[in-house]
Amino acid sequence: NAGVTQTPKFRILKIGQSMTLQCAQDMNHNYMYWYRQDPGMGLKLIYYSVGAGITDKGEVPNGYNVSRSTTEDFPLRLELAAPSQTSVYFCASSLGVPSEQYFGPGTRLTVT
Amino acid sequence: AQSVTQPDIHITVSEGASLELRCNYSYGATPYLFWYVQSPGQGLQLLLKYFSGDTLVQGIKGFEAEFKRSQSSFNLRKPSVHWSDAAEYFCAVGADDKIIFGKGTRLHILP
Repeated sequence: NAGVTQTPKFRILKIGQSMTLQCAQDMNHNYMYWYRQDPGMGLKLIYYSVGAGITDKGEVPNGYNVSRSTTEDFPLRLELAAPSQTSVYFCASSLGVPSEQYFGPGTRLTVT
Repeated sequence: AQSVTQPDIHITVSEGASLELRCNYSYGATPYLFWYVQSPGQGLQLLLKYFSGDTLVQGIKGFEAEFKRSQSSFNLRKPSVHWSDAAEYFCAVGADDKIIFGKGTRLHILP
């Protein structure tokens, strides 16, 4: 099992550009999550999904969009990148509730 | 609302010394509690979890944590730290469909 994979590992965007962060898991988990991590702030939940076709907002959804067309994939879309979106982004998955989350290695995004 | 507080942003201990990282939570129902560790440049890895039963739980890498309902605490302990334990540690509480994370405690190890 590869677990949770994320691509790319690093990316630099110019203000106003768009991009999609990819996340995939091969553990057949129903639940998937996107977090951003800023220094000293812990992890903030952006969006999550409890199954294919179902998504919901987390604590900081503004400026992001998600879709969940398959159980395996949960891409995160940034439409108009802003410097405030410079962060490290983590994708995670879990079997359900309660259950621990399994994390990907992260994507470091810089917007300049 | 659910919340997790880790009162110590940084902790420094000497190699071989004992360690206790504090965690307090706020949650109305029976909590599901977790400790995760993050090494530099890596994702988070689960150390241990508490769902029910024995309030002292054992985890990986020699860590343990004790759930104390009366104090709303779930402190992480290790009797003797190793240089490889230097990392950031996150306490978390399971709430509905989500997990709420604390802001983390960065552990530094003195040789």
